[in-house]
Amino acid sequence: GAGVSQSPSNKVTEKGKDVELRCDPISGHTALYWYRQSLGQGLEFLIYFQGNSAPDKSGLPSDRFSAERTGGSVSTLTIQRTQQEDSAVYLCASSLPGRNQPQHFGDGTRLSIL
Amino acid sequence: QKEVEQDPGPLSVPEGAIVSLNCTYSNSAFQYFMWYRQYSRKGPELLMYTYSSGNKEDGRFTAQVDKSSKYISLFIRDSQPSDSATYLCAMSSRNTGTASKLTFGTGTRLQVTL
Repeated sequence: GAGVSQSPSNKVTEKGKDVELRCDPISGHTALYWYRQSLGQGLEFLIYFQGNSAPDKSGLPSDRFSAERTGGSVSTLTIQRTQQEDSAVYLCASSLPGRNQPQHFGDGTRLSIL
Repeated sequence: QKEVEQDPGPLSVPEGAIVSLNCTYSNSAFQYFMWYRQYSRKGPELLMYTYSSGNKEDGRFTAQVDKSSKYISLFIRDSQPSDSATYLCAMSSRNTGTASKLTFGTGTRLQVTL
């Protein structure tokens, strides 16, 4: 079956521009997570969705970051007025409903801010 | 101090060797422990998932958890060149409401040579 799909796989943009990153989770996975992987920093949690609601946004680094999920499926992560420190790989994971279900990751979007 | 510490390596071993990868953590609330394998420019792939203390074996892989020492290990037997990747430990707590966000180590890069 299809895994977690993320697009685009690579994105290069100029500082100050807005970007949208997309995640299509595994069918039937109601939980969806966004993480950021920076060089030397490891993966850092950004936001968690259960269905269309986001009960935990504690990892979003600033108000320039937002995310939404529609139809309990596709999610978009938006970064406004991008800064060079936003350069990273943005990873999406999904899991079955319920606590502590294994999370399955997509291949990420590699974002470079010039 | 980070919640999860992991030696970044690189760790280089000959084919057929037994590999030992380790993480230490400081948060005693962590109860679920995972090991992910990440190939270059790919997303993390779940290898092992364990709950609480003890051992779990799956093929050439064995995961160990020692909660009293706050120490987890992944052993790879009969290592192969295809095992060359970055290995990430991850863990989560039961006390995070409905979210099961993962806290990751920074990863250990493994190189298995012929």
